[in-house]
Amino acid sequence: EVQLLESGGDLVQPGGSLRLSCAASGFTFSSYAMCWVRQVPGKGLEWVSVISGSGGSTNYADSVKGRFTISRDNSKNTLYLQMNSLRAEDTAVYYCAKRPPTSWYLDLWGRGTLVTVSS
Amino acid sequence: EIVLTQSPGTLSLSPGERATLSCRASQSVSSSYLAWYQQKPGQAPRLLIYDASSRATGIPDRFSGSGSGTDFTLTISRLEPEDFAVYYCQQYGSSPRYTFGQGTKLEIK
Repeated sequence: EVQLLESGGDLVQPGGSLRLSCAASGFTFSSYAMCWVRQVPGKGLEWVSVISGSGGSTNYADSVKGRFTISRDNSKNTLYLQMNSLRAEDTAVYYCAKRPPTSWYLDLWGRGTLVTVSS
Repeated sequence: EIVLTQSPGTLSLSPGERATLSCRASQSVSSSYLAWYQQKPGQAPRLLIYDASSRATGIPDRFSGSGSGTDFTLTISRLEPEDFAVYYCQQYGSSPRYTFGQGTKLEIK
C-alpha cells in the first residue's frame, strides 16, 4: 500500500526548532519529488517547500525561506523538514505529499502532524 | 504571484443535485496547471482533478473539471452523501511553486 506518514509535530516555543519526518512506503521514493504543505486548523492550504527526487533541487515559500530546510534520505525513504526560528504563525498541521515523475500535481498526501508554536 | 479565488465560499445542496464550483485566477494559468482536491474533516486532501480536466485514479466519473486561462470549474453531476466536504483548487507556477484557493465548503442543505 502506498503510504506517507508524518511525525515530529510538537509544542515548541517561539524561536525554537523542530524537525518533521515523513516516512514513505509502497512506491519508489527516489523517483518522486516531495512537498510539504501546511494548514492552520480550520483554514486553507499553504505550500511550504518542494524537493526533487534526487534531493539536488529545492524551493521554498517566501514565508519560510531562510528558516526552514527540506531534505530527504532516499536510503531510508524519508523526507524531512527542519524548522528553525519558529513563529506563532507557523502553527499548523504539516502534510507531506508526493509528486509523480514528470508531473506537477500532488497525488497522495499523508495525514499530517501538528506543530504548535506558543509560549 | 497568481491568486486563486474560489466561489461560492459555501454551497448548500441536497444529495442528487448538481454542484458547480468556480476557481478564478488573477493571471492566466500556464498549460492548464490546475488541480482540484477534496478534504473531509480530519483527513488529508485527496486529488480529484489535474491538468484542469483529467480525473485522478479511482475518482468517480460524476466529478469533472473544465476551463482554461483564468476560469476553471469543478462539477459534481449528482451529489452523493460522501461528497460533502471542502474543495480546493491549486495551480502550479514559478514562484511560489504552488498556490491554493481559499476553498469552497459543500454542505448538505
